Amino acid sequence: EIVLTQSPDFQSVTPKEKVTITCRASQSIGSSLHWYQQKPDQSPKLLIKYASQSISGVPSRFSGSGSGTDFTLTINSLEAEDAAAYYCHQSSSLPWTFGQGTKVEIK
Amino acid sequence: QVQLVESGGGLVKPGGSLRLSCAASGFTFSDYYMSWIRQAPGKGLEWVSYISSSSSYTNYADSVKGRFTISRDNAKNSLYLQMNSLRAEDTAVYYCAREGVWAPFDYWGQGTLVTVSS
Repeated sequence: EIVLTQSPDFQSVTPKEKVTITCRASQSIGSSLHWYQQKPDQSPKLLIKYASQSISGVPSRFSGSGSGTDFTLTINSLEAEDAAAYYCHQSSSLPWTFGQGTKVEIK
Repeated sequence: QVQLVESGGGLVKPGGSLRLSCAASGFTFSDYYMSWIRQAPGKGLEWVSYISSSSSYTNYADSVKGRFTISRDNAKNSLYLQMNSLRAEDTAVYYCAREGVWAPFDYWGQGTLVTVSS
């Protein structure tokens, strides 16, 4: 099973600040890494697919990068509505797995 | 627009059974793989099971293998999860989600809560 480890677990950030969340895979997964945002009491929403591909309707301040084992989700100029938990997910090898999540709080 | 609506959750005793349903609309259901993903209270996401578009392939997390069975009815645009021998650790919100082949989960339902408790 591929283990995904996110860091940090929690981040408290001021609006307009830049946020960086990392996801490390226990073995190479190419670009088969996706990011989701889950706001309180809502279902997860796909933010970025295949490490860096944007999703229609997702604000351009969200971007992703990386390949192999190291990946990054960047939120440029954080807005209050971005308070949420963020999860990475790999679709390279069964069983599909998720990172443990990163909670982003707005100061 | 794509809609996924889960139902069938509730309170069940340990060792009991429950059948979850997911009604799909707004897309050609028979073209897509589907998955069940769960989230225990206050915890992260855990993939549970997937089924291929024609039901030829299924796969399960080790934590539910032998106890849960995924199925679908393409004529009814519906996905199911039969859960037997339920344990306290199965308590979670269960989401159905659409996926491509080796692709991300691009649409999720709102979830249905399953509580296993005596």
